[in-house]
Amino acid sequence: EVQLVESGGGLVKPGESLRLSCAASGFTFSSYSVNWVRQAPGKGLEWVSYISSSSNYIYYADSVKGRFTISRDNARNSLYLQMNSLRAEDTAVYYCARDRGNWGFGTEAFDIWGQGTMVTVSS
Amino acid sequence: EIVMTQSPATLSVSPGERATLSCRASQSLSSDLAWYQQKPGQAPGLLIYGATTRATGIPARFSGSGSGTEFTLTISSLQSEDFAVYYCQQYNNWPYTFGQGTKLEIK
Repeated sequence: EVQLVESGGGLVKPGESLRLSCAASGFTFSSYSVNWVRQAPGKGLEWVSYISSSSNYIYYADSVKGRFTISRDNARNSLYLQMNSLRAEDTAVYYCARDRGNWGFGTEAFDIWGQGTMVTVSS
Repeated sequence: EIVMTQSPATLSVSPGERATLSCRASQSLSSDLAWYQQKPGQAPGLLIYGATTRATGIPARFSGSGSGTEFTLTISSLQSEDFAVYYCQQYNNWPYTFGQGTKLEIK
């Protein structure tokens, strides 16, 4: 079964750090670009970051640029999001999402989503 | 950044009737537009990509149309499982952006 499973969420204080992980299975992870998308409680979807299959291309939303770092380990079939200097407005469910096509790089819709992991930033 | 605007915010429709959801982009997307369905407590799921192509396993009652800046998602005969929130997303360029969502509720 094609699957993405996030982990690493939790409750942290403003200014602290957290690292999210996303474990992929059921497909050739190294062939696909992947993304992080978040959803604040009761709100809509916000794209956070993109990484190409070989990590050659990385993009961030302005709201997280300079604070968040996306990375991947194709040998471990894993995607990561290092989140530093967390703010209350970063509180959200964080989803990892796979690009639809295994082109390695390029713009695409998201065909596989994980179940999400909740990050709460509060003092 | 491309701004995506969905309308209406809430749509009340009876089962068996047709629902039409709209999405407008602040600049041309060509056909780089996707639609997602999200039910409470669940992750979003891909319905339509390339503005008009149904994703794998999506029933034929879902159809997408449009190009450029104006797009529509039509559900031809609403089933009980279709009542959910629907988001459009542009993937023409980074940063990817989503519309604010349309909540489809039972009338």
